[in-house]
Amino acid sequence: ETGVTQTPRHLVMGMTNKKSLKCEQHLGHNAMYWYKQSAKKPLELMFVYSLEERVENNSVPSRFSPECPNSSHLFLHLHTLQPEDSALYLCASSQDLGGGTDTQYFGPGTRLTVL
Amino acid sequence: GQNIDQPTEMTATEGAIVQINCTYQTSGFNGLFWYQQHAGEAPTFLSYNVLDGLEEKGRFSSFLSRSKGYSYLLLKELQMKDSASYLCAVRDGNYQLIWGAGTKLIIKP
Repeated sequence: ETGVTQTPRHLVMGMTNKKSLKCEQHLGHNAMYWYKQSAKKPLELMFVYSLEERVENNSVPSRFSPECPNSSHLFLHLHTLQPEDSALYLCASSQDLGGGTDTQYFGPGTRLTVL
Repeated sequence: GQNIDQPTEMTATEGAIVQINCTYQTSGFNGLFWYQQHAGEAPTFLSYNVLDGLEEKGRFSSFLSRSKGYSYLLLKELQMKDSASYLCAVRDGNYQLIWGAGTKLIIKP
């Protein structure tokens, strides 16, 4: 148990569906992250939030839309996805944005399959 | 460009020692992390190195040589539960985390 939870753990959706992934951290951290993990590829950073402000958007297609209503919760809204978007989506949090030994703590991920 | 290289897969025997290497080329350096990820689970933090040398934590040790752009994770007295993927990540000069693709470690009895 890392203190970061994600729901759902598994999601199957069609290309025309709209769904949302949820992440919650119980660590009192100020920064939260969305990553995409595909088989045999490095983690791809998608979005970074610090104190509910988006500080990074790594050229992610607009069919992915993040939302951070407060420092403990992070959402990823999905719509009109493509089959190549099938992957494990990981949420992480850290005390602050990358200073010193600041370590990221990960949730278990949502395994997304797009049909 | 920035790059992290680590072997895709390694196999070792229960009770033995294994060394997982990581080489990196990044714009600046502000520390190197190792994470363990069991199949279907969250990556969990193992170690952090920012100065050259060896950091030991029980059965796991991590080594860093900044001049060579090189690190390794050493696992001793291997147990079946050590079967997992091991991720190397470097914090670059802009404090961005650059990730390797991970090394899948298979432990055989």
